[in-house]
Amino acid sequence: SQQGEEDPQALSIQEGENATMNCSYKTSINNLQWYRQNSGRGLVHLILIRSNEREKHSGRLRVTLDTSKKSSSLLITASRAADTASYFCATDPRGGATNKLIFGTGTLLAVQP
Amino acid sequence: DAGVTQSPTHLIKTRGQQVTLRCSPKSGHDTVSWYQQALGQGPQFIFQYYEEEERQRGNFPDRFSGHQFPNYSSELNVNALLLGDSALYLCASSLVLEETQYFGPGTRLLVL
Repeated sequence: SQQGEEDPQALSIQEGENATMNCSYKTSINNLQWYRQNSGRGLVHLILIRSNEREKHSGRLRVTLDTSKKSSSLLITASRAADTASYFCATDPRGGATNKLIFGTGTLLAVQP
Repeated sequence: DAGVTQSPTHLIKTRGQQVTLRCSPKSGHDTVSWYQQALGQGPQFIFQYYEEEERQRGNFPDRFSGHQFPNYSSELNVNALLLGDSALYLCASSLVLEETQYFGPGTRLLVL
């Protein structure tokens, strides 16, 4: 079963604009991770935020985590056509062994040149 | 430094057949996890192997089994294939106490 849900399901923006994707989850977590997937291929790890962190940055990525609302957001600034991909959040539930990731349903991002 | 590799890249089987998928983890990694991703969905956790044993399992039937070898590589076996087993099968490797997993390119299985 899916732990999380991403919102929106699909997003289309122009190059240079910012893209924001949201993720909601159901259970307590150790950490939340964001992955990118190009055209149904392998997943690329983008960023990890632990349950005791509220915000994290990596290059053009900014992730926030609100454990009281069980939600996270991923912001991609100054988007590029190469950012076109599906983006998934994945949670590592508390109480289990590490790395049993539970993925959301994904957001399909299209960046128009 | 080789990343996670999977073979084959594509596979076509018929209902009732059996299939074996293979995964070589990233150099230095000791833990392998398998995920199934149906079209348009997020990956779902199948099971994880560490020290040649199944460490934890997701909600998949016993038709799905696996193995980890002493060199940390792993196999996923699926028996009595169903049409619904058609999916992208992803392997991910990590170190047992580390949080970040590295995914392979996947094996796309089509069951006819």
